[in-house]
Amino acid sequence: GQNIDQPTEMTATEGAIVQINCTYQTSGFNGLFWYQQHAGEAPTFLSYNVLDGLEEKGRFSSFLSRSKGYSYLLLKELQMKDSASYLCAVRYTNAGKSTFGDGTTLTVKP
Amino acid sequence: EPEVTQTPSHQVTQMGQEVILRCVPISNHLYFYWYRQILGQKVEFLVSFYNNEISEKSEIFDDQFSVERPDGSNFTLKIRSTKLEDSAMYFCASTRTGVNTGELFFGEGSRLTVL
Repeated sequence: GQNIDQPTEMTATEGAIVQINCTYQTSGFNGLFWYQQHAGEAPTFLSYNVLDGLEEKGRFSSFLSRSKGYSYLLLKELQMKDSASYLCAVRYTNAGKSTFGDGTTLTVKP
Repeated sequence: EPEVTQTPSHQVTQMGQEVILRCVPISNHLYFYWYRQILGQKVEFLVSFYNNEISEKSEIFDDQFSVERPDGSNFTLKIRSTKLEDSAMYFCASTRTGVNTGELFFGEGSRLTVL
């Protein structure tokens, strides 16, 4: 089966940096995605890694190590609006079959 | 900015009834997906669709489910005989290319409640 593990909850302070980890075991690998999901809303795309290394996009960065089955999402200069669930997802077939983690609920406090 | 649109936003139905959820993907996108999310649980892949046929489907996507693209713009998910456990938020998503692409564009979702 496909398995993704990420912490259930994290709390951080406004203006700080937070790192959300994700480990995965899947039968194939065709990219790792991070999405943000506010309660009752659709997921919105944050980042995509298919090669090892760091991808930076404004306040958000994502890192991938395929050999370790590991990724993290780094959020800098946290804002209150960053309070949301962060979903790690792995696409494991060429046709787009993907598995999602349970999500990490991030609470940003003043 | 182009977006994926879904209708209805919320549907309540009786167990055993047929339901059709509709999606209009972004116009130049070629790959279409349905996902579902039961309240408080993870997002689950249902099916991917390309070139007017199913590319891949999950174990959840059994004979009660079907998809089609009837007119070149709409992409529909049909549940033939709904069960209580089909209650969930159903998300349609699309992407311009399939393999080696980044972003999936999700619609706002259709909340299905089966009574």
